[in-house]
Amino acid sequence: GQNIDQPTEMTATEGAIVQINCTYQTSGFNGLFWYQQHAGEAPTFLSYNVLDGLEEKGRFSSFLSRSKGYSYLLLKELQMKDSASYLCAVRDSNYQLIWGAGTKLIIKP
Amino acid sequence: DAMVIQNPRYQVTQFGKPVTLSCSQTLNHNVMYWYQQKSSQAPKLLFHYYDKDFNNEADTPDNFQSRRPNTSFCFLDIRSPGLGDAAMYLCATLPGKRESDTQYFGPGTRLTVL
Repeated sequence: GQNIDQPTEMTATEGAIVQINCTYQTSGFNGLFWYQQHAGEAPTFLSYNVLDGLEEKGRFSSFLSRSKGYSYLLLKELQMKDSASYLCAVRDSNYQLIWGAGTKLIIKP
Repeated sequence: DAMVIQNPRYQVTQFGKPVTLSCSQTLNHNVMYWYQQKSSQAPKLLFHYYDKDFNNEADTPDNFQSRRPNTSFCFLDIRSPGLGDAAMYLCATLPGKRESDTQYFGPGTRLTVL
């Protein structure tokens, strides 16, 4: 079966750095996506990785290791507005997104 | 400017009373998706269209139907909603099937079943 695993919840302090991990087992691989979802809202696209390595985009970076079936999202200089769920999704061989259940990130002052 | 629009944003219906949710897009994207998302869960794909080619997920209940009359519009019909169908329904679009293409989501419709 296809499976995406990520921690259910994490807590971090404003101004700090947090790393959210994602491991996956899917039928084929055509890229890994990270989305941010605030409570009651739709997911918004954060990052895309298809090759191994680190993609940096401002305060957010995403890393991929295809051989390990592993990715992480790194958030720096945390702000209160970063409190949200972060969803990892993998595009499989049928070009469908397989979604993780999301990691709820709580930022404390 | 809104690119993927869902109406209504909030829908309340009674147990067993049919309901239709709508999605429209101004992006001229080929692919449209309907997802169901319950609290603290992953979005669950119900259907998707590649142009007019309809794809139904194997575990989507028969109670759920969909229509795509043209490129811009897509509808989700729930014929006899049950309490378990209360969820957020998300519409998303995709330009095509290039690797780097990312899904664009509408704001969602939150369905309450009384």
